[in-house]
Amino acid sequence: SYELTQPPSVSVSPGQTAIITCSGDDLGNKYTSWYQQKSGQSPMLVIYQDDKRPSGIPDRFGGSNSGNTATLTISGTQPLDEADYYCEVWDSSIAVFGGGTKLTVL
Amino acid sequence: QVQLVESGGGLVKPGESLKLSCAASGFDFSDYYMGWIRQAPGKGLEWVSYISSRHSTIFYEESVRGRFTISRDNTKSSVFLQMNDLRGDDTAVYFCARVSSLRGVALAGGGLDTWGHGTSVLVSS
Repeated sequence: SYELTQPPSVSVSPGQTAIITCSGDDLGNKYTSWYQQKSGQSPMLVIYQDDKRPSGIPDRFGGSNSGNTATLTISGTQPLDEADYYCEVWDSSIAVFGGGTKLTVL
Repeated sequence: QVQLVESGGGLVKPGESLKLSCAASGFDFSDYYMGWIRQAPGKGLEWVSYISSRHSTIFYEESVRGRFTISRDNTKSSVFLQMNDLRGDDTAVYFCARVSSLRGVALAGGGLDTWGHGTSVLVSS
C-alpha cells in the first residue's frame, strides 16, 4: 500500500516561514492536497492539486510537489496557524493521508 | 450553505453493528463523490471508504473491507456507512467529506473540500 511520511512536529517563530514536508514514492507524479486541523475541529482543505488555494485561504499558504516530496509552505506564520497539518493523495487507486505534522508557533 | 451533518455514532460492544449517516445540503449531492474518514483518539486521519456519484466506484481501506459497507441515496442527499463486526481499533471520530468533483466526476487532486463535524464511535466491552 502507498505511504506518505511527514515529520511529527515543526516549530516556527511568528512571522517566519514554516515548511512541512510530505514524502512518498514518486509523489511528484501525483496530486497532493493539504489539510489544517485545529484542536477540536474538523479538518479544512488549505491546498489542492499541489499548489492551489481554495477560496478564503490566505495567500501565505503555498504548496509545491516534485520528485518524492510535496511541501506546504506558510509564509509570515501567525499564531492562529498553529494546528496539525496532513498531506493526502487521492486518485482512482490510492486514498491515503500522511501521519500529520504538529505545527507549533512560538 | 454547503453542509454535511453526520449522525449515528455511539457506544457499542465488540462484534456489534452500527450505521452512520451523513445528510448533505446546499449543493447538488448527486454530482459529488463522497467519503468517510476517521480519526482515532489522539491519532491522525485515515481514509475509510468512498463512493462515486453514481455508485459505480467504491473504495474501502484494507482493515474495514468485508466489514463496512458504504452506500448513498441521491434522492435523500445522504451517504451511509454500515459497520459490522466492530472492533476496538474502529474506535474513532468518523467524518463525512465531499470529494471535489465536477459534474459527477471526481476532480483529480481536488481534495476533500467540505467536512462534517464528525460522529464518535466507541467500541468497548
